[in-house]
Amino acid sequence: QKEVEQNSGPLSVPEGAIASLNCTYSDRGSQSFFWYRQYSGKSPELIMFIYSNGDKEDGRFTAQLNKASQYVSLLIRDSQPSDSATYLCAVNMGYGGATNKLIFGTGTLLAVQP
Amino acid sequence: DVKVTQSSRYLVKRTGEKVFLECVQDMDHENMFWYRQDPGLGLRLIYFSYDVKMKEKGDIPEGYSVSREKKERFSLILESASTNQTSMYLCASSSPGLAEETQYFGPGTRLLVL
Repeated sequence: QKEVEQNSGPLSVPEGAIASLNCTYSDRGSQSFFWYRQYSGKSPELIMFIYSNGDKEDGRFTAQLNKASQYVSLLIRDSQPSDSATYLCAVNMGYGGATNKLIFGTGTLLAVQP
Repeated sequence: DVKVTQSSRYLVKRTGEKVFLECVQDMDHENMFWYRQDPGLGLRLIYFSYDVKMKEKGDIPEGYSVSREKKERFSLILESASTNQTSMYLCASSSPGLAEETQYFGPGTRLLVL
């Protein structure tokens, strides 16, 4: 069973701090990795994706990928109360064929305290 | 902007009813997906389609069927609704062939089966 694991949280950080969200995956053949944010009662929205080892930055967000250790993380700098949401990690495990399916983790709830 | 719309935000049905959930995307995406999301279980793939009239089972297809007669429209059908199908249903679409193939989600339909 191919799996994506996340700590469910809640992860509580003070406003202005760095929030660090982690995700591990089981399949070494996984090709690309996505972070989605989901506010309560809403649908997931894409924050960023990464497919090469190392860091990828987009504004206050940095995704980090380490394929050897099979983990991907998301750092949120200068956390704001509006960042409070559930963060979903999704992994494209390269099923191939006509399209690729994503396997989602269960999400980490982030709470940014004012 | 990618836009994925779903026919209803909230739906209440009786056990045994046939239920239709519709999803429409306006980005000419080849791939479309139906998920359900339940607390503690995350997003689980029910069915997906990579072309008109083509469909493939996801991880939990039992009790569901799908229809894709037009590229932009993907319908999920609950043949005989049961209480264990009470859930949030999310539709997504993507364009295939890239490692960073990104899925875009609709707003979701919260279904209650009584």
